[in-house]
Formats: sequence, structure tokens, C-alpha cells
Amino acid sequence: DTGVSQDPRHKITKRGQNVTFRCDPISEHNRLYWYRQTLGQGPEFLTYFQNEAQLEKSRLLSDRFSAERPKGSFSTLEIQRTEQGDSAMYLCASSQGGDGYTFGSGTRLTVV
Amino acid sequence: AQSVSQHNHHVILSEAASLELGCNYSYGGTVNLFWYVQYPGQHLQLLLKYFSGDPLVKGIKGFEAEFIKSKFSFNLRKPSVQWSDTAEYFCAVNNYGQNFVFGPGTRLSVLP
Repeated sequence: DTGVSQDPRHKITKRGQNVTFRCDPISEHNRLYWYRQTLGQGPEFLTYFQNEAQLEKSRLLSDRFSAERPKGSFSTLEIQRTEQGDSAMYLCASSQGGDGYTFGSGTRLTVV
Repeated sequence: AQSVSQHNHHVILSEAASLELGCNYSYGGTVNLFWYVQYPGQHLQLLLKYFSGDPLVKGIKGFEAEFIKSKFSFNLRKPSVQWSDTAEYFCAVNNYGQNFVFGPGTRLSVLP
């Protein structure tokens, strides 16, 4: 499979716990994006990387959120001290330059 | 800041009916425009995109969209929908490599 893969597909966690998601982009894509999607809404931008550099972060990305892409390949998104409002689908996408994204299937987070 | 609006939250059609989904964006500069589709339980997929040139663009599965610069619109059309077109449709704007801004989505239900 040469698409964008995300792991895990589903995560249920208790409020206050930390969670980490992984995204493996298409190998030749230099840009990697994280989005969050809640029910009935379009994806909302969180952050993006060009190679290993994190170039932009949304105001949605509070201090509890951190993203890394250490070698310019896969990326991780960590949420510390999860809150119920963090429940959403977390989407990863990659692109080569500014062309259309290829999205992964997402990680659905449920905070109970 | 860029924003994208989609005219309809939910559209219900019978098979073979014609489809037009409205999309308007607010941004004064040059943008790239996209339509994405999300089938039930699946990830976002690119339907079509406009960068420049002919304002009528054709995408996959018989979809097309027309860019009207004076109206800041990029409406999606299909002459005859099928039951398999039931999905959520998202319009998105990208300013030359910056992050994408998505509309809230339009849910299309096609009745067999």
C-alpha cells in the first residue's frame, strides 16, 4: 500500500491520559499535515511539516498538543492530559509541494 | 483569513437527478481550489482540483466544477447521480502551498 497510513485507527482513553498517534506519509511527499475533524464539520488545520521542519501551527494546537517529524518521514502527534473536547478524528495528509493532499484514514479518538 | 462556505448542509436526490453543490470562498488573492469526497467509513479522496487555465475542470466519477472568479465560487456538478455517490463533499481552498481551508461539508444522500 503506497497511501498514507495512520495508527491506531481507534483510541479510547480516559480523561487526563496522554495519547500518541503515528502517521506514515507517502514516501516521496515532503509535506505532512495534521488536521482534526469533528462530526458535521470539515477538517480543521492543526500543523504542517516540510521535511522535518514544523512550519506552521494553528491556534487550535494548544500547549497540550505536540507534533514531531524527526527524520522527515513519519510523524507523531501527542496529546497530553486529554480532555473530552479532544474527542475527534485526527487526520494526517501528505503532499509533494502544494498539490492536492492524500489523506490517511484517520485516528478516531474518544476521551471518556 | 481565508474561509470557505458551502450552501447546503444536506442534499437529498433521487438517482439520475442532476447535482450542483455550491462553494464560495473568501480570499483576495490567487488560490487553488479543490473538492474532496468522503464516502461512509472511508477517508477523504480528491475529486478534482483547479489551479489555473480552463475554469471548467473535470474530475473522477463524472464530476466537474466551474471556477467563477468574479463570484468567488467553485460549484461542483454532476449531470446524473448514482446511489454510490452518497457521501460527504468538502470544498477546500489552498493558497500556494499554505495549509488548506475546508468548508463545513455537504452531505449528499441519493435515494435508489
